[in-house]
Amino acid sequence: GESVGLHLPTLSVQEGDNSIINCAYSNSASDYFIWYKQESGKGPQFIIDIRSNMDKRQGQRVTVLLNKTVKHLSLQIAATQPGDSAVYFCAESLGGNTPLVFGKGTRLSVIA
Amino acid sequence: EPEVTQTPSHQVTQMGQEVILRCVPISNHLYFYWYRQILGQKVEFLVSFYNNEISEKSEIFDDQFSVERPDGSNFTLKIRSTKLEDSAMYFCAGTYTTNEKLFFGSGTQLSVL
Repeated sequence: GESVGLHLPTLSVQEGDNSIINCAYSNSASDYFIWYKQESGKGPQFIIDIRSNMDKRQGQRVTVLLNKTVKHLSLQIAATQPGDSAVYFCAESLGGNTPLVFGKGTRLSVIA
Repeated sequence: EPEVTQTPSHQVTQMGQEVILRCVPISNHLYFYWYRQILGQKVEFLVSFYNNEISEKSEIFDDQFSVERPDGSNFTLKIRSTKLEDSAMYFCAGTYTTNEKLFFGSGTQLSVL
């Protein structure tokens, strides 16, 4: 089963390096996927999204990859900066007005 | 950039008391949501609201919870009789159309003593 509590997976990267955050999603019927960044004491902030008919989408310094065969989603951050330090959540939905289901989150720590 | 506004930022209440958490969504949004996040855990869906009625709700959203959009501007979450386990950060979110990104507010931290 899932682990709960304060023990989030943590990824530590050097400033300037690329970061890859991974997420295994649960429902093969999910049609829409999204990455959020959450800084301490704040609400989730949108980073990038992707629909199931795509396998890659790029934004500014970020890329999302979707592998539906193994139900895997990843977020790549290029040239990671100290301001990227946060908890990153993936979320999935079946599309339409169905609610987003969030994953457990990964804490990204950027070492200056 | 327009924002989702939530008040209060912190709410402390005694067990058994009623609380109302308030949200002002972005003005052109049509679909509204409440989520909560217990400290250190993932964000959990509570309820979605469209066209002045609940679209979907989770198992968490029991009879103690209710939502309202009383005046076309505010969107509220009421917890009728709070329990210790209701302590969490509650987020309001909205979107203009379905299957698009949700915009989240900064949350209300509810502490039930």
